[in-house]
Amino acid sequence: EPEVTQTPSHQVTQMGQEVILRCVPISNHLYFYWYRQILGQKVEFLVSFYNNEISEKSEIFDDQFSVERPDGSNFTLKIRSTKLEDSAMYFCASSPGVGETQYFGPGTRLLVL
Amino acid sequence: GESVGLHLPTLSVQEGDNSIINCAYSNSASDYFIWYKQESGKGPQFIIDIRSNMDKRQGQRVTVLLNKTVKHLSLQIAATQPGDSAVYFCAEKNSFQKLVFGTGTRLLVSP
Repeated sequence: EPEVTQTPSHQVTQMGQEVILRCVPISNHLYFYWYRQILGQKVEFLVSFYNNEISEKSEIFDDQFSVERPDGSNFTLKIRSTKLEDSAMYFCASSPGVGETQYFGPGTRLLVL
Repeated sequence: GESVGLHLPTLSVQEGDNSIINCAYSNSASDYFIWYKQESGKGPQFIIDIRSNMDKRQGQRVTVLLNKTVKHLSLQIAATQPGDSAVYFCAEKNSFQKLVFGTGTRLLVSP
């Protein structure tokens, strides 16, 4: 069964450093998402992406965040200058179309020291 | 403001019992609701969904009930098994694409 994959599974970085989290969505899906989950808290929406553009973003997704689909298979989330409060699990998701089920990857655990 | 909340943070059941996990939502404009299961260290796994034009939907061992009058959603798991132990989230979609998740209920199944 096709699934969303994410790399790395864990990332430790120093405050102020840039990180890039990578995702490979399900191959025939057209919509891609990033969510995050701070330890013990809800899963929170960050951004959605369609047709090489951001289609929706939350207030969390400020100028330090960016997303890109650099090729036909990868979808990345970049955090330019990480802060301590960026420490969280970051989940990528994809869906075949708008309003359809979103399937989540296993997540990347980011720890900012 | 929008919110999706869960009534109970932890539910403990015996293997073989039926489990009911509840969720309240506040946005009456939401038209799509989903239940996800999250095991430790893993991403949310889709269980079942329901659209606002329905009040019940059944899957394999799971049933979702939607009561729009009181803005309440429930997940029923029949014959709960130890492998069902996880955190269960309800989520609602009330905009173009964004899912709004609840805080989660931890289901503990004892043999």
